[in-house]
Amino acid sequence: EVQLVESGGGLVQPGGSLRLSCAASGFTFSNYAVSWVRQAPGERLEWVSSISASGISAFYADSVKGRFTISRDNSKNTLYLQMNSLRAEDTAVYYCAKGESIALHFDFWGQGTLVTVSS
Amino acid sequence: DIQMTQSPSTLSASVGDRVTITCRASQNISTWLAWYQQKPGKAPHLLIYKASSLESGVPSRFSGSGSGTEFTLTISSLQPDDFATYYCQQYNNYWTFGQGTKVDIK
Repeated sequence: EVQLVESGGGLVQPGGSLRLSCAASGFTFSNYAVSWVRQAPGERLEWVSSISASGISAFYADSVKGRFTISRDNSKNTLYLQMNSLRAEDTAVYYCAKGESIALHFDFWGQGTLVTVSS
Repeated sequence: DIQMTQSPSTLSASVGDRVTITCRASQNISTWLAWYQQKPGKAPHLLIYKASSLESGVPSRFSGSGSGTEFTLTISSLQPDDFATYYCQQYNNYWTFGQGTKVDIK
């Protein structure tokens, strides 16, 4: 059974940092691109970042470029998102999602982890 | 950036109804479009990819069509499990989502 399990969310002050993790199982993690997508309360889904299967290529939304870093450890079947200089507008549920290729749709999503940026 | 606009934002329907949701792209995206279903507090679930390809395991009452800038998701006979919010997503140039269409009970 395919599973993606996010962790690491929580309450953080503006300007602070947080690292999210996404543990994958039930498929060959190293064969798939993976991404982070977030959803602020009552808002639409917003793509955040994606990384290729090998980890060589990474892409970021303009809203997080220079503040967030995506990475993966294929030996641990885990995806990460390092989030620095957090702002109130980063408050959202963060989902990890996988796709066959870096350029395609997302065929499976995790259940998400909530990040709240507030003083 | 490619903008995605869905209509309507909310749709009230009854079990057995035929339901159609429209998604428009701000520029030509060929058929690089997916549809997702999301229920409250849950992750999105892939229904359709490449505009009209049904994801494995998704009931055949769901179908997608369109190309270029205009796309539709059709549910041929609405079932109780289908009351949810539906999002379109373009993946022609990075990834952007529509604002969602909530399908609720009339």
